[in-house]
Amino acid sequence: DTGVSQNPRHKITKRGQNVTFRCDPISEHNRLYWYRQTLGQGPEFLTYFQNEAQLEKSRLLSDRFSAERPKGSFSTLEIQRTEQGDSAMYLCASSLYEAFFGQGTRLTVV
Amino acid sequence: DAKTTQPTSMDCAEGRAANLPCNHSTISGNEYVYWYRQIHSQGPQYIIHGLKNNETNEMASLIITEDRKSSTLILPHATLRDTAVYYCIVSPMNYGGSQGNLIFGKGTKLSVKP
Repeated sequence: DTGVSQNPRHKITKRGQNVTFRCDPISEHNRLYWYRQTLGQGPEFLTYFQNEAQLEKSRLLSDRFSAERPKGSFSTLEIQRTEQGDSAMYLCASSLYEAFFGQGTRLTVV
Repeated sequence: DAKTTQPTSMDCAEGRAANLPCNHSTISGNEYVYWYRQIHSQGPQYIIHGLKNNETNEMASLIITEDRKSSTLILPHATLRDTAVYYCIVSPMNYGGSQGNLIFGKGTKLSVKP
């Protein structure tokens, strides 16, 4: 296992379109986290899962955002009706003890 | 908001030790100190964590003051590849040993110079 995998690495979309990102965690990691990072800032927590249960959501996660983790394995983060302010790096992390991050998906909304 | 305070930037000469300070004066008894770093355009990388004892691994050493209100991350022989933003984070350990959600600040931008 080579670590947390995120796809795609880059996504350019037009404003108003829906986008979906995928995260494959490290095998056997029961926790999965989503973060968002804008230029010059540290990552901001969005949500996390314990197995398939979504246990916490940040107030940053508006109703246009939805995350799923069916069967407690991979996770998807969907953004509906994208806005220019959604342009950011979306990071996924998984943990059994310490959290390990993927390389992120860079979203550009034009 | 992040519960830690770090200098915005630091420079270090290649081959010398890099000492990165962090203040966490409001740390709770059940919170650990975690350090991550982020090299440009990559995801954050776990470095080390500790509760109250000093810790060392193959990447770095973590020195936590006795009152736990501050800590220092030490990179013993900095290389150019250690140039990155270093984040100090306090977070509780959840039941089962998994770390809690990480609240990142802006970190310290460490520049290692030849």
